[in-house]
Amino acid sequence: GAGVSQSPRYKVAKRGQDVALRCDPISGHVSLFWYQQALGQGPEFLTYFQNEAQLDKSGLPSDRFFAERPEGSVSTLKIQRTQQEDSAVYLCASSTTLNTEAFFGQGTRLTVV
Amino acid sequence: QKEVEQDPGPLSVPEGAIVSLNCTYSNSAFQYFMWYRQYSRKGPELLMYTYSSGNKEDGRFTAQVDKSSKYISLFIRDSQPSDSATYLCAMNRRTGANNLFFGTGTRLTVIP
Repeated sequence: GAGVSQSPRYKVAKRGQDVALRCDPISGHVSLFWYQQALGQGPEFLTYFQNEAQLDKSGLPSDRFFAERPEGSVSTLKIQRTQQEDSAVYLCASSTTLNTEAFFGQGTRLTVV
Repeated sequence: QKEVEQDPGPLSVPEGAIVSLNCTYSNSAFQYFMWYRQYSRKGPELLMYTYSSGNKEDGRFTAQVDKSSKYISLFIRDSQPSDSATYLCAMNRRTGANNLFFGTGTRLTVIP
């Protein structure tokens, strides 16, 4: 596929469970971004990678949220001890460089019950 | 108060109408302004991108930025049912998708 791929598309987690969300960016894209979109809201920035380096994590809401991109391609967003307020769509985007258009994936819809 | 305010709608218009979507913002440091379209259960896709104040036209879409009023607009001419989606404004101090500030999104329905 030519676009950003995210998996799983849907995830239901029990409160307190750990989850891992995967993002496969467009091949060759250096920059990768994670956003959180609550129901009826616009996306909110979580974190940004350039290759394997996490250059901005100012949007991560708590230390329960952790993101990595160890080889500069696939990225994983991990949420530990999930809480109900973590329920949202988690969007991943990638771009050729920081200053070019970013393409978003379809997102992973996380529901914490 | 959120940094970017956008009327969530919903907005319903007949096919062929001119649609006006707006956002206001509070941070005068914002220099880059974008409009994204988001279909249901899909990720946002970039529609328009402008830098600083002024107008930009692309087909049926026109984006306007008035930095003095901290107000941006998106106009859609000859609206089509396929334009039915949520429209999100977004803005940034720097170019690129790092740390974009999004509005809530306006849900638009174009009725055939």
